[in-house]
Amino acid sequence: GQQVMQIPQYQHVQEGEDFTTYCNSSTTLSNIQWYKQRPGGHPVFLIQLVKSGEVKKQKRLTFQFGEAKKNSSLHITATQTTDVGTYFCAGSGGYQKVTFGIGTKLQVIP
Amino acid sequence: KAGVTQTPRYLIKTRGQQVTLSCSPISGHRSVSWYQQTPGQGLQFLFEYFSETQRNKGNFPGRFSGRQFSNSRSEMNVSTLELGDSALYLCASSLEGSLNEKLFFGSGTQLSVL
Repeated sequence: GQQVMQIPQYQHVQEGEDFTTYCNSSTTLSNIQWYKQRPGGHPVFLIQLVKSGEVKKQKRLTFQFGEAKKNSSLHITATQTTDVGTYFCAGSGGYQKVTFGIGTKLQVIP
Repeated sequence: KAGVTQTPRYLIKTRGQQVTLSCSPISGHRSVSWYQQTPGQGLQFLFEYFSETQRNKGNFPGRFSGRQFSNSRSEMNVSTLELGDSALYLCASSLEGSLNEKLFFGSGTQLSVL
């Protein structure tokens, strides 16, 4: 079945440093979504990528979808304490259900 | 527009008991999915309901079941609870449940099994 691996599982950064989380799928994806879950909260949709090689930006966040549509990354520039949380990728391919990565828990040290 | 509502917010049960969790989707959304979240395991898909029918099912034992009502509200039931069932149970709704729709999550039900 479809598997989505996400690394790293944990990341501590100093405020102002950059942060990147990576997702890799065992199969080609139709699309990939990214969600953020704040501590004690629930996942909230950030963005969806559909096209091969697609790059989207949201302020300090940059999302990429690989050319082969099997990997994706989320990069945060100059992290702030408000970026704290767990970032999940979620991939879907064909008629399969959405599969979530294990998530990357980001801690930002002020 | 009200968000996804899950009740109760917290539950404490003992082994062997059963539990029912409720999820009311966003008005107009017909697809409801359930996920189990535990530390180190991420979000594990339980099942998805659309128009009162289970459309997809994850790899969970038969002790986990669900249903959806005509108003799209959904319930999840876990029978014969085990310690390992302690988790945050999240439901998510979307309009049609198609794979390119974003999911709207509820705040979850935190289940503790003692």
